[in-house]
Amino acid sequence: ILNVEQSPQSLHVQEGDSTNFTCSFPSSNFYALHWYRWETAKSPEALFVMTLNGDEKKKGRISATLNTKEGYSYLYIKGSQPEDSATYLCASDNFGNEKLTFGTGTRLTIIP
Amino acid sequence: DVKVTQSSRYLVKRTGEKVFLECVQDMDHENMFWYRQDPGLGLRLIYFSYDVKMKEKGDIPEGYSVSREKKERFSLILESASTNQTSMYLCASRPRLATSTDTQYFGPGTRLTVL
Repeated sequence: ILNVEQSPQSLHVQEGDSTNFTCSFPSSNFYALHWYRWETAKSPEALFVMTLNGDEKKKGRISATLNTKEGYSYLYIKGSQPEDSATYLCASDNFGNEKLTFGTGTRLTIIP
Repeated sequence: DVKVTQSSRYLVKRTGEKVFLECVQDMDHENMFWYRQDPGLGLRLIYFSYDVKMKEKGDIPEGYSVSREKKERFSLILESASTNQTSMYLCASRPRLATSTDTQYFGPGTRLTVL
C-alpha cells in the first residue's frame, strides 16, 4: 500500500489570511498528483491534476506546486474566504494503473 | 454536467442485515470505485471495477462484495453488516486508460450506520 501523507490534519485561518498545506507521496513510479476539495454535504470536487516536476497550477485564489523528485506538493490559498472552508484531499497516481491513493486530508476552517 | 449519484444519503441498518449501496454514473466511464472514509484514515479503496462484470479488490475488501452488471451501475454489498462497517461510503468513476490528467468524479456519499 502506497503512503500519501497530508499535513497539517486541521487548520484554522482568519478570513483574509493566506495559508498553505502539504501533501507528500511516493516519488517512485509517479504518474500524477490530484487535489480535491470536499465541502460538507457535497461530493469531493477536483481542483488540480498535476504531472510534471516543477508544475504550478492556479484556479482563482488557489494554487498548487509539484516536486516529483522529492515527492511533495503544496496547496496555497491566498486571502482565505469562508467558502474555502472544506477538507482538502490529495491523491497519488503511481504506475498509471488507474487507482488513486488518498491522503487523510487537511480540514481547513476559515474564521470570519 | 457530469453526474455520479448514490441511492441514499443516509442509511441505518441492523447488525447482520444485507445492505446494498447503489451507484450510477452517466459519463460512460469504464472505471468505477467504492471507497470508505473514516476520521483520521482518509479515503480507503474497497473495490473497483474496470468493466462490466470485472472487479478487483482494493485495500480493504473484507466483508464486502460488488456487482457490475451494467456499465453505468456499480453496487457495493455488505453480506452481513457489522458495526465496524459504520462509515461514509463514496462512489467514484473515471475513464478507462485515463490520461494522466483525467480526474475521478465522486458521488455525494452514503453515511451508513450499523446498529
